[in-house]
Amino acid sequence: RKEVEQDPGPFNVPEGATVAFNCTYSNSASQSFFWYRQDCRKEPKLLMSVYSSGNEDGRFTAQLNRASQYISLLIRDSKLSDSATYLCVVHGGSQGNLIFGKGTKLSVKP
Amino acid sequence: EPEVTQTPSHQVTQMGQEVILRCVPISNHLYFYWYRQILGQKVEFLVSFYNNEISEKSEIFDDQFSVERPDGSNFTLKIRSTKLEDSAMYFCASSEVPPGLSYEQYFGPGTRLTVT
Repeated sequence: RKEVEQDPGPFNVPEGATVAFNCTYSNSASQSFFWYRQDCRKEPKLLMSVYSSGNEDGRFTAQLNRASQYISLLIRDSKLSDSATYLCVVHGGSQGNLIFGKGTKLSVKP
Repeated sequence: EPEVTQTPSHQVTQMGQEVILRCVPISNHLYFYWYRQILGQKVEFLVSFYNNEISEKSEIFDDQFSVERPDGSNFTLKIRSTKLEDSAMYFCASSEVPPGLSYEQYFGPGTRLTVT
C-alpha cells in the first residue's frame, strides 16, 4: 500500500465551484498532517496544517479522520488563482521527514 | 516575510562531476531538510539535519550524497559523482521545530539539476 494516496485528477471546475480533495495515509503513527500547493515547476508552499478537530482558513477547510487514516481539503468559491497541484503531506519519521502524495491537479476555468 | 533561499536556480553538469547545491534556511530555524522531485513525480525526502548532524536519511541518500552546514547560515548538499538519474529539482526546507510538534516546513524555490 502506498504511504500517501491521492486522486491524481485533474479536476477541472468553473470559477465559484466547491471542490474537495481526499487523501489516505498508511502510517497510523503519523502525528502531523499538511496540505501544500505546488504551482508548475515551483516549490511546495504550505497551505495549512490539518488538525483532528478540523480547521478552516477562509475558503479552505481541512479535516482529519485518524480512525480511517483519511484527510480532506475543501475549497469553496474557487478562484482562477487556485489552479495548482494540491499535495497531501504526512509526517513520516521521528525527526520530521515529510511524506508527500503525488498530488491532485486542479484547474479552475473562467 | 523570511524565506528559504537556494542557489543556483539551475545547474547543468556532466555525469561523474561533483555538484554542490546551496541553501540559506530561515534564520531562526533549527531543522533543515533536503528533498528532491524528479520531473512528473512526487516530492521525496532525502535527509534531515539538526545540531550539525544528520538526523534521518532515506534510501536515496547513499554514499554519493553528503550535507554540511559550513557556517551559521548556509546548508549544502553535495553529490560526489553525479548520475543521469540524479537529474531532478532539489528543494531545501527548514522548520523551527520538528513537524511532530506540528510546526511546518518551509521550502526554498529549488535548484534544477540537469545531468548530461
